Amino acid sequence: SQTIHQWPATLVQPVGSPLSLECTVEGTSNPNLYWYRQAAGRGLQLLFYSVGIGQISSEVPQNLSASRPQDRQFILSSKKLLLSDSGFYLCAWRRLNYGYTFGSGTRLTVV
Amino acid sequence: EDKVVQSPLSLVVHEGDTVTLNCSYEVTNFRSLLWYKQEKKAPTFLFMLTSSGIEKKSGRLSSILDKKELFSILNITATQTGDSAVYLCAGDIYNNNDMRFGAGTRLTVKP
Repeated sequence: SQTIHQWPATLVQPVGSPLSLECTVEGTSNPNLYWYRQAAGRGLQLLFYSVGIGQISSEVPQNLSASRPQDRQFILSSKKLLLSDSGFYLCAWRRLNYGYTFGSGTRLTVV
Repeated sequence: EDKVVQSPLSLVVHEGDTVTLNCSYEVTNFRSLLWYKQEKKAPTFLFMLTSSGIEKKSGRLSSILDKKELFSILNITATQTGDSAVYLCAGDIYNNNDMRFGAGTRLTVKP
């Protein structure tokens, strides 16, 4: 069966520090992978998606970047965090005719 | 601009009540409407609706799509405290790697 792992679950980082969130998928190959952010009381906003190794599309200009070094690994990064980067970050993969399966999420607080 | 609007934003009911959650959408190249349940962490998939007028059921939950009036409803009968969550709807788009999410309805079921 397919599973998606995301870590860490919680992160508190100072402004200006770097960030690296990792997401891995098991049980499928060549998945479409996504990073979403959810601000308090708001819907999910797509940040990046990837249809294959090294292929990254960005939906909104921001302080973040993404990479896909392996088929089932998707990484969200920042060189210098801003206060506005705080939020709940979700990794997801898309199953055909089924919608997204989400990871357990990372709650990032930038202080 | 694509948008998905959910109502009400929040709802408090007592166990045993029946609730109806609303989702209206304006999505270009609309493919399907999805419902998710989000408790403390990641959203979990409930329904994908592609055809108008066909009700989908899962236990006490049911949902239907009206593609003419551009809305969907999610019904929960005989609510239980475990139904307390944020319910998200999303419009899926043809030939796109994104969905447009609503802000969610926060349902609280009191014993």
